[in-house]
Amino acid sequence: SYVLAQPPSVSVAPGQTAKITCGGNNIESKSVHWYQQKPGQAPMLVIYDDRDRPSGIPDQFSGSHSGNTATLTISRVEGGDEADYYCQVWDSSGDLWVFGGGTKLTVL
Amino acid sequence: QVQLVQSGAEVKKPGASVKVSCKASGYTFINYYIHWVRQAPGQGLEWMGWINPRSGGANSAQRFQGRVTLTRDTSINTAYMELNRLRSDDTAVYFCARRADWYYGLDVWGQGTTVTVSS
Repeated sequence: SYVLAQPPSVSVAPGQTAKITCGGNNIESKSVHWYQQKPGQAPMLVIYDDRDRPSGIPDQFSGSHSGNTATLTISRVEGGDEADYYCQVWDSSGDLWVFGGGTKLTVL
Repeated sequence: QVQLVQSGAEVKKPGASVKVSCKASGYTFINYYIHWVRQAPGQGLEWMGWINPRSGGANSAQRFQGRVTLTRDTSINTAYMELNRLRSDDTAVYFCARRADWYYGLDVWGQGTTVTVSS
């Protein structure tokens, strides 16, 4: 089965930029989506199709995709951005949805 | 507004079954696939499967096949996830989510239903 790899944790000081990576075999051929999940809440889509933002998501959030890695970038990080972040792809070979293991973003 | 509202928390014994509902409002129910995702305590998101509300067709992750049943009732805009032969490691929050119409992401989520399996 398809596997997406994320770092377990990322730490960043307020006002700085956080980068969260997502790696997978042949991921360059897939569209990557990113979710933010705060404690006790449902996940929320923040990036779809590698780099597009849903309505209402600030431009602080951006996505990129190069080679075997997709990256979620969060600029001007603040305390309210502390959350778990998950990448997700659709594996067409089995019509399966796959999530990465999640990355906990800590604002120092 | 577009929303998915799930049924309340459940406590079940090992070996029992649980059926979680997900009621859609604010959009045309049959036009969007509904997915189910679960999250064990302190763990990540795990995709379980999807149902096409228009046709009733469904697909599930291999590890749940034979144990999960995904259904819907279009007369009340509600999708259901039934999980059988519950084990303690099925204790989790179960989410329903709507697949977006032109990309393979999940754009609207229910609030989650906690299912606790304990003897």
